[in-house]
Amino acid sequence: QLQLQESGPGLVKPSETLSLTCTVSGGSISSSSYYWGWIRQPPGKGLEWIGNIYYSGNTYYNPSLKSRVTISVDTSKNQFSLKLSSVTAADTAVYYCADLYTTVDYFDYWGQGTLVTVSS
Amino acid sequence: QSALTQPASVSGSPGQSITISCTGTSSDVGSYNIVSWYQQHPGKAPKLMIYEGSKRPSGVSNRFSGSKSGNTASLTISGLQAEDEADYYCCSYAGSSTYVFGTGTKVTVL
Repeated sequence: QLQLQESGPGLVKPSETLSLTCTVSGGSISSSSYYWGWIRQPPGKGLEWIGNIYYSGNTYYNPSLKSRVTISVDTSKNQFSLKLSSVTAADTAVYYCADLYTTVDYFDYWGQGTLVTVSS
Repeated sequence: QSALTQPASVSGSPGQSITISCTGTSSDVGSYNIVSWYQQHPGKAPKLMIYEGSKRPSGVSNRFSGSKSGNTASLTISGLQAEDEADYYCCSYAGSSTYVFGTGTKVTVL
């Protein structure tokens, strides 16, 4: 069974870059069965898909965030990462990493989520 | 890419059935049978309840069912139980390997 765990700073200053890493255990990030995704949830609000990456490095982003988002993968560490640049208070959210099961297009296993607050 | 529209809240008494709608467009829900539903309890990560519009993962109660008509997908919870009180989100494939979530529905068991 896959397990995913987010890690990274819980506080980021406005205009800086938010950086998070998701460590995958219980399976290989190089599996052809999965994409690897980031989803966020502002406090008290709904879920927002940020983007996905395949182990080959192919990326797919939410058009509304595309100009500020970079997702990368490190197969040697079984990790994938999120960078969101030029953050504002509106980027304050719980950030989840999850796997997207390719053949049926659903987010299967999720990390516990990590709260990132944007504040000076 | 706009969020799919869900009612903010739905409530029902124990044992009753409720239905949550998820309205999108011809570019997402209407074009693909790739709608999933997630249950989220406070402070917890979402949990998959339905995929491909109407299929249940193993371990999910058969009280949960899904359907789709045109640009609207629906989640029905029958025999409502106290443990079903949670937030529910739909998610649809939106083409070009992108996905969109719904606005979320808070289910209250009276």
